[in-house]
Amino acid sequence: QQQVKQSPQSLIVQKGGISIINCAYENTAFDYFPWYQQFPGKGPALLIAIRPDVSEKKEGRFTISFNKSAKQFSLHIMDSQPGDSATYFCAAYYFRDDKIIFGKGTRLHILP
Amino acid sequence: DAGITQSPRHKVTETGTPVTLRCHQTENHRYMYWYRQDPGHGLRLIHYSYGVKDTDKGEVSDGYSVSRSKTEDFLLTLESATSSQTSVYFCAISESHQGNYGYTFGSGTRLTVV
Repeated sequence: QQQVKQSPQSLIVQKGGISIINCAYENTAFDYFPWYQQFPGKGPALLIAIRPDVSEKKEGRFTISFNKSAKQFSLHIMDSQPGDSATYFCAAYYFRDDKIIFGKGTRLHILP
Repeated sequence: DAGITQSPRHKVTETGTPVTLRCHQTENHRYMYWYRQDPGHGLRLIHYSYGVKDTDKGEVSDGYSVSRSKTEDFLLTLESATSSQTSVYFCAISESHQGNYGYTFGSGTRLTVV
């Protein structure tokens, strides 16, 4: 049962533009919302994460925006670069069970 | 980083043969996970372990078994490989990294069943 819905499936952005990936979740018991970045031939790597009591978290060019009432969160990549081209997964984490539910991923391509 | 090693990195096998994939970690993490990744399906949990000899099924466990006889090793076995099990398999452990909590993944095993 899909509990984290991610969109879009694929995204093309011009270099220097803003990339936005959206996710929605159903279960309010999640404790934490991480984002993963995956390059071809590699495993997913933890990129940035947010707790549900925080509305925004920024690390460099990457920002998570979190809307608890709407049960939605999004990843914004500012000044997108060709090196950001990768697949991005949003996720929701239950600390108690140490269980993560992943979205289906967004393939991002930044045009040079 | 956790030091997760998956072996082999690539494997081609014939339908009906048994296959075992290995995941090795060096930092005594309790929880370990096996995922498969397929286009359009994202990451799907196969099995996980919460300690030595303690394992449980994930959402796509049919046709797979696991064993964990030592903390550092988590083995995934395809009892009789089928073409539908052609996939990229990832092992993961849970840990915190610079204040962010989540899973750390290995580099994956690309399995082709012919």
